[in-house]
Amino acid sequence: QKEVEQNSGPLSVPEGAIASLNCTYSDRGSQSFFWYRQYSGKSPELIMSIYSNGDKEDGRFTAQLNKASQYVSLLIRDSQPSDSATYLCAVNKEGGGADGLTFGKGTHLIIQP
Amino acid sequence: DTGVSQDPRHKITKRGQNVTFRCDPISEHNRLYWYRQTLGQGPEFLTYFQNEAQLEKSRLLSDRFSAERPKGSFSTLEIQRTEQGDSAMYLCASGRLGEQFFGPGTRLTVL
Repeated sequence: QKEVEQNSGPLSVPEGAIASLNCTYSDRGSQSFFWYRQYSGKSPELIMSIYSNGDKEDGRFTAQLNKASQYVSLLIRDSQPSDSATYLCAVNKEGGGADGLTFGKGTHLIIQP
Repeated sequence: DTGVSQDPRHKITKRGQNVTFRCDPISEHNRLYWYRQTLGQGPEFLTYFQNEAQLEKSRLLSDRFSAERPKGSFSTLEIQRTEQGDSAMYLCASGRLGEQFFGPGTRLTVL
């Protein structure tokens, strides 16, 4: 069983719409959750972190965490063509970043102008 | 630029050769991580340092791989007797608490 699962896509969303990216994880002991954006040929860039159940908003981005369902999501409002990238979900088993992150394979998002 | 830096950015080597990569973390970060990423996959954790102590090593880190962080600042990752399967992007990240920030990576091609 894979530890962090994401739909690989591609997920195609019209410009200006809301993009919804989903991630499930298998380890109930997971404490920290992160979303990274990765453009082709570049390294991952941290865009959101979330540690407790509920929603966390930062600009056009909202991360949602449901530990009971082992589910974390990322919403991107008012999608722009520059949001086209691969979005990686990452999970840390222990609080405080003591472990390496476990990543999903990523979802390829395409924003259509 | 005060982000994580890595050197070299690209490395082409022949099978059987040794290679060494360097990572300079963000200066105030005491934690340093190495990952490997292949095409179509997320980064895979290799090893982690807190200051100069190597605290965790993945089972992916075979005996041919060794990492050091001698003074708790920069780190090196050495691969001995490279194999074609070692071709990947090697990523370094640094952090202080939970968040990790990645450098640009070193792309290794083993011929």
